Amino acid sequence: QVQLVQSGADMKRPGASVKVSCKTSEYTFANYHVHWVRQAPGQGLEWMGISRFNGGNTPFAQKFQGRLTLTRDTSTNTVYMELRSLTSEDTAVYYCATERDFAYYFNPWGQGALVTVSS
Amino acid sequence: QSALTQPASVSGSPGQSITISCTGTSSDVGSDNHVSWYQQHPGKAPKVMIYEGTERPSGVSNRFSGSKSGNTASLTISGLQAEDEAEYYCCSFTRTYTYVFGGGTKVTVL
Repeated sequence: QVQLVQSGADMKRPGASVKVSCKTSEYTFANYHVHWVRQAPGQGLEWMGISRFNGGNTPFAQKFQGRLTLTRDTSTNTVYMELRSLTSEDTAVYYCATERDFAYYFNPWGQGALVTVSS
Repeated sequence: QSALTQPASVSGSPGQSITISCTGTSSDVGSDNHVSWYQQHPGKAPKVMIYEGTERPSGVSNRFSGSKSGNTASLTISGLQAEDEAEYYCCSFTRTYTYVFGGGTKVTVL
């Protein structure tokens, strides 16, 4: 059974960067893509980007181009999401979620990590 | 990429059926069958209910069904139960190899 464990809540100042982790099993890391989706307080879901297990094309949502980096650490089976130049509008719960190759849906999801951006 | 359009809220009495629409364009919903639906209870992570427009993952009640016509996908919940009260989101793969969500629909069981 696929399980994802995310890092805890974080608070950042405007202009700073945040790095959220998503730890999976060895099998999941090697065979599943990992997507990142965020949800601002009281708002809907917003897709951010994908980290592919096979290193293929990794498109991001246009609004995050230039600010978002997704990386993988094979030694710990962990995927990282780094978002730079934070503003208060980046305050949100950040979820990772897996996708089997060519499945086109996200299952399961991590528990979410609240990132608060405040001066 | 603009968010897909969903009604803000839908309500129904226990036992009734309700349908949530999700309208996109020929570049997303209308381009293929890669539409999924997610249920989210307050404070919880989303859970997939329907994928590929009409397919139900194992463990999801057969009271949930999906359909699509042109640029609009729909989620129907039949035999509405109190536990179905939640927020529902549609999501579509797009021709630019990205994904887009709908704005969400709050389902209220009266």
